[in-house]
Parts: sequence; C-alpha cells; structure tokens
Amino acid sequence: EAQVTQNPRYLITVTGKKLTVTCSQNMNHEYMSWYRQDPGLGLRQIYYSMNVEVTDKGDVPEGYKVSRKEKRNFPLILESPSPNQTSLYFCASTRQGASSGANVLTFGAGSRLTVL
Amino acid sequence: AQSVTQPDIHITVSEGASLELRCNYSYGATPYLFWYVQSPGQGLQLLLKYFSGDTLVQGIKGFEAEFKRSQSSFNLRKPSVHWSDAAEYFCAARGSTLGRLYFGRGTQLTVWP
Repeated sequence: EAQVTQNPRYLITVTGKKLTVTCSQNMNHEYMSWYRQDPGLGLRQIYYSMNVEVTDKGDVPEGYKVSRKEKRNFPLILESPSPNQTSLYFCASTRQGASSGANVLTFGAGSRLTVL
Repeated sequence: AQSVTQPDIHITVSEGASLELRCNYSYGATPYLFWYVQSPGQGLQLLLKYFSGDTLVQGIKGFEAEFKRSQSSFNLRKPSVHWSDAAEYFCAARGSTLGRLYFGRGTQLTVWP
C-alpha cells in the first residue's frame, strides 16, 4: 500500500531532550515536507526537500533540523525541544512534474508531540 | 508574502442544507489550489485540486470548487451536506516557489441532524 509512515505517533518528552520523528514513504516521491498543526493556525510548513540532499526552510524552521540522505526518508530532528514545539506534526510527500497525481500531497497520519 | 485566507473559523449547517466554504489567496499569477479535509484524529485527505483549465472542479464526496481569478477565490461547495461531512477543511495554495505550500487556518464544519 502506498503510504507515508511517521513514527512515533505519540510522544511526551522533556525540555532539552533531543528527539527525532521519522518519516518514510514508499512511493519513490522526490518531494517531502514537514508541517506542524496548531489550533487556529492551520498547517505551517517547517522544512521541505525537493530531492535527496536538497532541503529548504518553510515558514517556521526555527528549532528544527532535517536531512534527506535517502529518497524515501526525511526525518525531523528537534535538537533541544521546548514547550512551544508541542504540536501535531505531519509529514507529506508527492512526486514532481506534470503528470496526473503530481503535486498532490500524501500525508502521514501525524505525530503528536508534547514537550514538558 | 503569499498567503491563504479562510475567513470562517467555524460553520454550522443542518444536514441536507447547502454548503459554501470560502478561501482567498494572495498571489499574482494562478497558483495551484487545493482543498483538504481532516476528520477528527485523522490525517489530511485531498478533496479536489485546481491547476489550470476549467475553473469549476469536481472532487470526491460530492464536493466542487470554483476558481475565480478576479476575486482570488477558490470556494468549496456542496449542494447537500451529510452528517459525515463534519470535519475541518483546509484550503491550500502553491505559488511560484516550488516546494512552498501555504495553508489557510481551516474551517471547522459542524452538521446538525
């Protein structure tokens, strides 16, 4: 089944304890992206990647890192989490180009992170 | 800066009534436009998209949306709402910068039986 898989789905952690949220897709998509969803703010883009080794900042990159060493994986790293990073995080992917289905995001199920 | 505005935070309709959710975007050229739906505790599912061509697009679950360049709008409509349509709806736009996708703040839809 074509899907985007995020782990963990739920995590409670403490301020300053480094964590990584993994994201993997099995559709050979070039493009991957991370979003955070907060009540009343909708989804805001954190980082995106157009292809392997190509990443760029979205609207709210502060406090986050990403890497794209393989096409299928795009982990989100919080080096020193703070309470304001408590949020629901979504990873998404799509293929680029003009073909049918291109530019339409497939979302993961979300990762709910709480930082105490 | 490019942005997407959904003026209505919360809309309540009766089952069987018609529905229109508003979306406006700020971008000079024609962006790629999307409507996504999020049911409680779920991820986002694409309802429909507009890239070019016919300005009235049909989506899943009986939804449609109309792109109006003069009004910079892409409103979502459904002629008869079902209780299962209760969810949060997000409008999104991709502008000139490949990879940058902008979401509105969402409209929460409540359906009365």
